[in-house]
Amino acid sequence: QITLKESGPALVKPTQTLTLTCSFSGFSLSTTGVGVGWFRQPPGKALEWLALIYWDNDSRYSPSLHRRLTISKDTSNSQVVLWMSNVDPVDTGTYYCAHLPHTPPYFDSWGRGTLVTVSS
Amino acid sequence: VLTQSPATLSLSPGDRATLSCRASQSVASSLAWYQQKPGQAPRLLIYDASVRATDIPARFSGSGSATDFTLTISSLEPEDFAVYYCLQRSTWPLWTFGQGTKVEIK
Repeated sequence: QITLKESGPALVKPTQTLTLTCSFSGFSLSTTGVGVGWFRQPPGKALEWLALIYWDNDSRYSPSLHRRLTISKDTSNSQVVLWMSNVDPVDTGTYYCAHLPHTPPYFDSWGRGTLVTVSS
Repeated sequence: VLTQSPATLSLSPGDRATLSCRASQSVASSLAWYQQKPGQAPRLLIYDASVRATDIPARFSGSGSATDFTLTISSLEPEDFAVYYCLQRSTWPLWTFGQGTKVEIK
């Protein structure tokens, strides 16, 4: 059974860097084709894809946010970390991580999300 | 860009629901549908436009290709009232969601 859990600060001040950790079990990020993605959802709004890291360390970012995002993995500890720099109140929302299998290549298991509020 | 319509669908249990997702350029069949209930994570329903994900009931079906896609719920159950999103994975490196369709109880 695949499980994922997001963790990070509930409150971040504007201009700070947000660090989010996705801890997972039930799969390995050293398995060919597997990836972990990050998403966010502002209150009452739609989902938005942020970043993705693959088993081979290939990383992809949302073009609108790529200058502010960095994703990395710690395979031995089954974790993926996302950093978002220079946060703003518009970055407030629930942040999710999700598992991407090799086949079919769609995000099939998600964490429950963590709510992040950006406010001074 | 993915455009979903309608924004809100007001229906009764037992009704048929038809949700639309239109892409601004062809995504072939690289489209999925997700269901999201309040306070919950998204749940994968359909992938590759028409393939039901594991343990998804047969009342959910997907169709379409290129730019026009449809999610049909043949007979709404009480637990089906939720927000539905389409997601495309064709225009690499992007994963793009539609803005969602809320299926609410009439």
